[in-house]
Amino acid sequence: KAGVTQTPRYLIKTRGQQVTLSCSPISGHRSVSWYQQTPGQGLQFLFEYFSETQRNKGNFPGRFSGRQFSNSRSEMNVSTLELGDSALYLCASSQGLAGGVETQYFGPGTRLLVL
Amino acid sequence: EDKVVQSPLSLVVHEGDTVTLNCSYEVTNFRSLLWYKQEKKAPTFLFMLTSSGIEKKSGRLSSILDKKELSSILNITATQTGDSAIYLCATRDNYGQNFVFGPGTRLSVLP
Repeated sequence: KAGVTQTPRYLIKTRGQQVTLSCSPISGHRSVSWYQQTPGQGLQFLFEYFSETQRNKGNFPGRFSGRQFSNSRSEMNVSTLELGDSALYLCASSQGLAGGVETQYFGPGTRLLVL
Repeated sequence: EDKVVQSPLSLVVHEGDTVTLNCSYEVTNFRSLLWYKQEKKAPTFLFMLTSSGIEKKSGRLSSILDKKELSSILNITATQTGDSAIYLCATRDNYGQNFVFGPGTRLSVLP
């Protein structure tokens, strides 16, 4: 089974621009979660999508948004980029079963640098 | 607010040493605790713990959950340089929706 894939792997943008990151989950997985990882804040949960609906959301401003398509692929968008948005963005997929007893599998991440 | 704390935040040992990494949590509707190893990019899954007192083992790594103490430990015996990584602890709630990660423990194993 292919793993979680993310594109692009690296991205350089300037302040004020917007960016779209893509994540393709493991085949059969319906849940995709997005995380931001920075040296100072660690791994922080952005949001989770399940069956094309945002099911859970972390404490990030509205500039961060996402969506999920019918094939479970997900995109994350950040508008009006700020320097502090420079980070590694990880997505993780799982089957999305209720009960909290399954793990997530992470993609390789997209490293975003905002200049 | 749900919180996961790990200690130590950083650890330097020599090959052959045994290390114990700690994770404690304050989580509403706790259901499971997971350990991940992160070397360069993506965290890779190590263990998932749901029941107290049952040790999970994989080679030189083992982990156990103590629900009474709201904590877990990850043990690595006979450490190797390849064990150098950040070890992340995360909890998941009963609804299976909310992942909360700790800050990680950065382990450096010197030859």
